[in-house]
Amino acid sequence: DSGVTQTPKHLITATGQRVTLRCSPRSGDLSVYWYQQSLDQGLQFLIQYYNGEERAKGNILERFSAQQFPDLHSELNLSSLELGDSALYFCASSPTGTSYEQYFGPGTRLTVT
Amino acid sequence: DAKTTQPPSMDCAEGRAANLPCNHSTISGNEYVYWYRQIHSQGPQYIIHGLKNNETNEMASLIITEDRKSSTLILPHATLRDTAVYYCIVRVATNFGNEKLTFGTGTRLTIIP
Repeated sequence: DSGVTQTPKHLITATGQRVTLRCSPRSGDLSVYWYQQSLDQGLQFLIQYYNGEERAKGNILERFSAQQFPDLHSELNLSSLELGDSALYFCASSPTGTSYEQYFGPGTRLTVT
Repeated sequence: DAKTTQPPSMDCAEGRAANLPCNHSTISGNEYVYWYRQIHSQGPQYIIHGLKNNETNEMASLIITEDRKSSTLILPHATLRDTAVYYCIVRVATNFGNEKLTFGTGTRLTIIP
């Protein structure tokens, strides 16, 4: 157990819909990262927040957005969903001042039908 | 970031040492080598990292060659639970809160009973 929690575990929705994925980082971690893992693309970095501010952006679509709240939990919003958005979405957190020692949550499996 | 090359798959007998190689011939002096693994559909798990000296923790040992162009992750007594995809990642260490991980295709390690 990494200490990072993600909800929901599974999500099934239809094309065109909007969903919100939630992540709670480990206690004390200020950075939250979102990654997407699909069968054909592997693990890809989407976006990072550090203490409430966006810090780095990866291959995140404009239909996707994220935020980190004052209590440090983060939400990833996916809208106008397409079949190709079906994937595992992982959240990770890291301790302040540490480089790449990230702790990953169990993921949310999104299925778009 | 330096590019890494790993064999796509390896087998190892249960109880034996698993040696996973990684080539990073273009590594710079300030780049660290990190290893993560992902057990089927779970969140990636941090294993170990190093700069130039060999490192050991409760999970594994990391051997980095003197010229730093390659490294080997050693799982000393592999068990069936070590079956996973292992990722070698090279990245400059920063404390700026911008430490996205770039995962390649990794090595799929299968432990044979």
